[in-house]
Amino acid sequence: GNSVTQMEGPVTLSEEAFLTINCTYTATGYPSLFWYVQYPGEGLQLLLKATKADDKGSNKGFEATYRKETTSFHLEKGSVQVSDSAVYFCALSVEGGSYIPTFGRGTSLIVHP
Amino acid sequence: DSGVTQTPKHLITATGQRVTLRCSPRSGDLSVYWYQQSLDQGLQFLIQYYNGEERAKGNILERFSAQQFPDLHSELNLSSLELGDSALYFCASSVPGGAVNTGELFFGEGSRLTVL
Repeated sequence: GNSVTQMEGPVTLSEEAFLTINCTYTATGYPSLFWYVQYPGEGLQLLLKATKADDKGSNKGFEATYRKETTSFHLEKGSVQVSDSAVYFCALSVEGGSYIPTFGRGTSLIVHP
Repeated sequence: DSGVTQTPKHLITATGQRVTLRCSPRSGDLSVYWYQQSLDQGLQFLIQYYNGEERAKGNILERFSAQQFPDLHSELNLSSLELGDSALYFCASSVPGGAVNTGELFFGEGSRLTVL
C-alpha cells in the first residue's frame, strides 16, 4: 500500500533559522508528491508539489525535491519567519485509485522571534 | 479562501446523537472527499464522491454515511455518536469537469465536532 512518514514534531526554531522537515514514502506505482500547510484554525492548503523524479517544487521560499532513489521529498526553507508557524503535511497520490491522497501525520513548526 | 465551504464550523452534541455536516465544493469541482483529523490518528480518509456517485471508501465507520447531491454539495452523516468521534472533519474538492485529476485537493476550514 501507500504510506508517508514524516519526522515527528514539534520543530521549534528561531526566526531566520534553516528548516528541514523530512518526508519519506512508499508507493505502489509512480506517485505525485505534495506538501500541504495548515495554519491555526484553517484547512489544509497546497504549498508545493512535484510530479516526477528530480522535479523541484517551490513556493513562498519553501522547496522540496522529488528523490526517487531515496523515496524522499524533504521540505526546506533557508530562513523561516514567525508567520511560517503551522503544521506541515507531506502527501502522495498515485494515478488510478481515484487519486486519493495519502497524508503523513503532520509536523508542527513553531518559530520564535 | 479555497472556495470550499463547510457548515457548521463548530458542533457540540451528546453521545448517541446524530449530526449532519455539510460541504459545498469549489465551483465546478466534481469530486468531494471527507477526512477526519484527530490528534491520535492524524488525517484519515473517509470517503470520496465523484459527480454524485461513491468513488472510494477509506476508514469510514458503519455509523457514518455520506452522499453527494445533484448540485454537487455533499453531506456527511454521523450517528450513534461516541466520545471518540470528537474530531475535526474536513471536506475537500478537486477535479473541475473535464480536467485530469492530479491528486491536488482544496480543503474547507473544517467542522469541529465535540461529543460530550
